[in-house]
Amino acid sequence: GAVVSQHPSWVICKSGTSVKIECRSLDFQATTMFWYRQFPKQSLMLMATSNEGSKATYEQGVEKDKFLINHASLTLSTLTVTSAHPEDSSFYICSASSDRGPDTEAFFGQGTRLTVV
Amino acid sequence: LAKTTQPISMDSYEGQEVNITCSHNNIATNDYITWYQQFPSQGPRFIIQGYKTKVTNEVASLFIPADRKSSTLSLPRVSLSDTAVYYCLGMRGNQGGKLIFGQGTELSVKP
Repeated sequence: GAVVSQHPSWVICKSGTSVKIECRSLDFQATTMFWYRQFPKQSLMLMATSNEGSKATYEQGVEKDKFLINHASLTLSTLTVTSAHPEDSSFYICSASSDRGPDTEAFFGQGTRLTVV
Repeated sequence: LAKTTQPISMDSYEGQEVNITCSHNNIATNDYITWYQQFPSQGPRFIIQGYKTKVTNEVASLFIPADRKSSTLSLPRVSLSDTAVYYCLGMRGNQGGKLIFGQGTELSVKP
């Protein structure tokens, strides 16, 4: 299957600073990528849809000014958590789709563990 | 996208067959039923996908009755490494991979 890579795998930052997480599709082009957040013992929650060359679409309740998404190329989307606070500590996961029409499969990155201290 | 309901947790022993059932009463005509596996601190991994009847791959089988309101993931002869959370989702091709995850089933395989 296709490979999606996230970087970094984990990051610790101080409260008030910003953190950038990268999501790359390594062997295919992805016009659309997705960002999820997962708290301990909970399911994945879709945060936003990242569209190449245009603005991201955010899910209800997700602050677009806090979670900045940039999708500048067909293989790279970035999520920047601005002015991070301890409550933003979570596991962030991206996915990209290798579109094969009805039989679409989403490939996930390995996730980024963010800890804000 | 279809709302799904699964058991929160299941226990099994090594070597047993495990069947996880998922309810999706409002699944749309163009939704494919898809199962993902997630290990702790990792992204989900695709297991199997089907539309109706039975699908089998090297990892699992997926049984979907004619009314498509439920599906059953079957894991043959589980091992300790199959301990994970399993998610059932309705996946629509024109959504470009957008997935709405339910609570999932936490499978614990014991020796």
